[in-house]
This record gives sequence, structure tokens and C-alpha cells, in this order.
Amino acid sequence: KQEVTQIPAALSVPEGENLVLNCSFTDSAIYNLQWFRQDPGKGLTSLLLIQSSQREQTSGRLNASLDKSSGRSTLYIAASQPGDSATYLCAAQGGSEKLVFGKGMKLTVNP
Amino acid sequence: KAGVTQTPRYLIKTRGQQVTLSCSPISGHRSVSWYQQTPGQGLQFLFEYFSETQRNKGNFPGRFSGRQFSNSRSEMNVSTLELGDSALYLCASSLAGPNVLTFGAGSRLTVL
Repeated sequence: KQEVTQIPAALSVPEGENLVLNCSFTDSAIYNLQWFRQDPGKGLTSLLLIQSSQREQTSGRLNASLDKSSGRSTLYIAASQPGDSATYLCAAQGGSEKLVFGKGMKLTVNP
Repeated sequence: KAGVTQTPRYLIKTRGQQVTLSCSPISGHRSVSWYQQTPGQGLQFLFEYFSETQRNKGNFPGRFSGRQFSNSRSEMNVSTLELGDSALYLCASSLAGPNVLTFGAGSRLTVL
């Protein structure tokens, strides 16, 4: 049974810092790994998707890496801004539409 | 193109009642998945429908059910509501097969 863990549960940083968000999963037989952002009371916005055959994906100030052998994915946020404040979730997807989510990490970027 | 639309966005029910939530997927998407989000359990998979057939089901009691129509729109129903059913219910749509899921804004259910 796949389990996804995100530690820490919350992080508060000053504006401008480069951030590393961690995600670990127990079953390396994944189809892809997705990172999402969720603003309070809202749905999920997909940030990056890494296919199992890929090592990383980049979008603007975001970069996500995937190491299946160690069961880890990392989301890097460069030069953080107050607008980056949100909850970030990672999710592992097997061979179906079912995503297994971590509990998320609440990020606060202080101006 | 239009995103995933969920209705209603907010609703309040009392224990014992039932509720039906609706999800209209992105045009052309044939797979619709449902998730429950609570502060304690996080996001949990409910079920997935593809071409009007349930393909996957999460570990929820039989009070939770769903269906999909020929136009890919989906509904989920929760009967005999309990306080613990209070949650944000999210649906997501995708093309056939494991693929990028696009989520709707969710339906927030409060059970009193």
C-alpha cells in the first residue's frame, strides 16, 4: 500500500529565500509524481508532474526532482515571494487515476 | 477551455440526510475521480469512473456512491450523513489512462 509523507507540516520563511520541500513515498512502482498547490478553501492547482522515466521538471521558479530508487521527490522554489504562501501537496500515481496524497506542507512567506 | 465545474460549492446538511454533488469534467475528458479532504485525514480517494463504469474504489463505506453519465458528467451521493462526512469534496478529470488530473474547486459540505 502506497504511503506518501511530507515533512515538515508547516514552514515559515522570509521573502527571498530558496526553499526545498520534501516528499517521500514507500512504493517505487509509480507512474508519475505530481506537485499541487492549494490556497485556503480552494481546489488543487497542478504545479509540476514528473513521469517515472524523468528525473526532473521545471516551470519558472519551480523545479521538481524525482528519485524513485530512494522514494523521494523534492520541490525547489527559488526566490520565494509572499504570493507563494499556500499548502503544497505531493501525490504519487500508480497505474490508475488514483492519486495517493501526502498531508501537505503549509508554506508562509513573510514580506 | 472550461475547467472542471463542481456544484454546489457550499452546502449545509443535518445528520441523517443525504446529499448529491455534481462534477462536470473538462470537455473530452472521460475519467472522473472523486476525493474527500478533511483536516485529519487529508485527501483520500473515493472512486473513479470511466465511460460510465466505476474502475477504482477507495476505502469508504457503502453510504458513499457515485455514477457517471454518458456525457461524462459525474455525481456522487452520500446517504445517512454523519458529522464526520463534513469535508471538502474534490473531483478531478483526465483523459483515458493514468494522466494529469485537473481538479475542480470543490464542494464544501458541512454536516450539523
